[in-house]
Amino acid sequence: DTEVTQTPKHLVMGMTNKKSLKCEQHMGHRAMYWYKQKAKKPPELMFVYSYEKLSINESVPSRFSPECPNSSLLNLHLHALQPEDSALYLCASSQVPGLAGDNEQFFGPGTRLTVL
Amino acid sequence: AQTVTQSQPEMSVQEAETVTLSCTYDTSESDYYLFWYKQPPSRQMILVIRQEAYKQQNATENRFSVNFQKAAKSFSLKISDSQLGDAAMYFCAYRSAQGGGADGLTFGKGTHLIIQP
Repeated sequence: DTEVTQTPKHLVMGMTNKKSLKCEQHMGHRAMYWYKQKAKKPPELMFVYSYEKLSINESVPSRFSPECPNSSLLNLHLHALQPEDSALYLCASSQVPGLAGDNEQFFGPGTRLTVL
Repeated sequence: AQTVTQSQPEMSVQEAETVTLSCTYDTSESDYYLFWYKQPPSRQMILVIRQEAYKQQNATENRFSVNFQKAAKSFSLKISDSQLGDAAMYFCAYRSAQGGGADGLTFGKGTHLIIQP
């Protein structure tokens, strides 16, 4: 299984809502990532988890709250978002450095988020 | 910080022809990985080809090959026998191999590849 799945595919939320994005992989990867991609732009790194611990936070606003409950799951909790947060949110996974196959990140299809 | 530059916002090629996409990068590190990812209109980001900086031999995957010039910090992608299914946004990406921890990818702005039938 070389697939990263993300749910939901689309999400529309108001600025006062609380919602969560979910990501799952069963490749035994111990590094997982959240990226944000605006239209016609490249993905931008938000968070990196390594062995279920947050290792990189790219100065992301606190209205985005990541969580890694186990080695297969990655969540992104959303609260009090702004319209400018509307984007495609991509999840990815990889092996951690030092393990075979550590240099490739596998991406999910993304969640298209619209904030009204 | 590392930067990745793709100077061609859009490229067009006739089906069955060959096209080369350019990428340059800037880094002070000696050990890193370089990638070309493809993102079709359906949005799924797919790895096309990878290159480890310590390897002198250029990577090849079927119709896709790279020209890796480490001293010039250049990493171009050649697509031979272009097919309609190759139409997509192509991103060049850099990942550090130093530091020991998992690192995210730094992407270029992308090149939109159009295949003319």
